[in-house]
Amino acid sequence: GAGVSQSPRYKVAKRGQDVALRCDPISGHVSLFWYQQALGQGPEFLTYFQNEAQLDKSGLPSDRFFAERPEGSVSTLKIQRTQQEDSAVYLCASSLRRHLRTEGTDTQYFGPGTRLTVL
Amino acid sequence: DAKTTQPPSMDCAEGRAANLPCNHSTISGNEYVYWYRQIHSQGPQYIIHGLKNNETNEMASLIITEDRKSSTLILPHATLRDTAVYYCSRITGGGNKLTFGTGTQLKVEL
Repeated sequence: GAGVSQSPRYKVAKRGQDVALRCDPISGHVSLFWYQQALGQGPEFLTYFQNEAQLDKSGLPSDRFFAERPEGSVSTLKIQRTQQEDSAVYLCASSLRRHLRTEGTDTQYFGPGTRLTVL
Repeated sequence: DAKTTQPPSMDCAEGRAANLPCNHSTISGNEYVYWYRQIHSQGPQYIIHGLKNNETNEMASLIITEDRKSSTLILPHATLRDTAVYYCSRITGGGNKLTFGTGTQLKVEL
């Protein structure tokens, strides 16, 4: 079946430009996650949605980063006034997770990522 | 700060078992261990996960020590296509944030 898709796959921006990165989760997946992966590093959590609600944005590095998921499906990560340190691969993941539980876990499935290069 | 550490690189001969260790000495009682792998220019691919018991699926086996401070991912018969960076990660039960380890670059050679 179709996995998580992301677009564009590659984005080059000049410093100071705004960018928007799109994520299409697996159909029916309630939860959606954004991660940032710097070169040679593991992914780091940015933010999390359950349906349209953004329940955790503790990983967003600054107020220039904004994410939304208005209809509980497609999500957009927006970065305003991009800086060179924003250059990274931005990964989206989704999971079935239908409700918060204190036990149990749902596997997160990742998309291919968007490689952002800020010049 | 919770740390998950892995050796930076390992080599394995094709057809042999690849055993990838992970140290998560500060893991909490309700944190799961997840393994992903990442081939160049692709997103992380789910492999296996566990809490306390050893687990096996069609891709790999996961051995978790009794004290849960470390685990080992076993690829029973490594192939060239298993060459990738393997990440050990952890997530709290009921939580949402995967915390990734440092990653191991596995190179499978003829």
